[in-house]
Amino acid sequence: DGGITQSPKYLFRKEGQNVTLSCEQNLNHDAMYWYRQDPGQGLRLIYYSQIVNDFQKGDIAEGYSVSREKKESFPLTVTSAQKNPTAFYLCASSMGLPLSTGELFFGEGSRLTVL
Amino acid sequence: GQQVMQIPQYQHVQEGEDFTTYCNSSTTLSNIQWYKQRPGGHPVFLIQLVKSGEVKKQKRLTFQFGEAKKNSSLHITATQTTDVGTYFCSGGSNYKLTFGKGTLLTVNP
Repeated sequence: DGGITQSPKYLFRKEGQNVTLSCEQNLNHDAMYWYRQDPGQGLRLIYYSQIVNDFQKGDIAEGYSVSREKKESFPLTVTSAQKNPTAFYLCASSMGLPLSTGELFFGEGSRLTVL
Repeated sequence: GQQVMQIPQYQHVQEGEDFTTYCNSSTTLSNIQWYKQRPGGHPVFLIQLVKSGEVKKQKRLTFQFGEAKKNSSLHITATQTTDVGTYFCSGGSNYKLTFGKGTLLTVNP
């Protein structure tokens, strides 16, 4: 089945540690995205990538980093510089370019808790 | 920057009642998308509207895009318990998608 796989589903981290969230898609989509969701909030864009080896900052990129070495993969690193990292992280992809057209396909999310 | 406001934030209905959520943008949109997120789940795409004044229906769900392409609505007729979840709109403009904060719908059986 085609889709987006995020791992891990749940993750606990101590303050001061970096953590990397995995996102893999087999939909052959060019564009991939990372969103953060907090309770009662909408989805806020962290980073997005429209093509391999290229990515752009979203609205809340501070304290996060990404890479796009392969079309299928778009890992997100939550660094120790992120002041409030506890959140639900959603990876998504879309077929269409530019960014604002086309349905977004979401993974099941990764819930990060900082202890 | 672009802002997308969604109201109401919460809506509780009795099963069988109708439900409407509204989405308003501070800027003209090129398109609008609607997503549903079940409790504990991830957003799932429902529909995309592109044309001014467009109306689309999916069974009991009716989606509208305003004439000025700055607002949209989702109406559910005769809600069922399976409609429970958060409904998000997402407006596309200047090659960027901006999500509203969503409307959480709960349905009392």
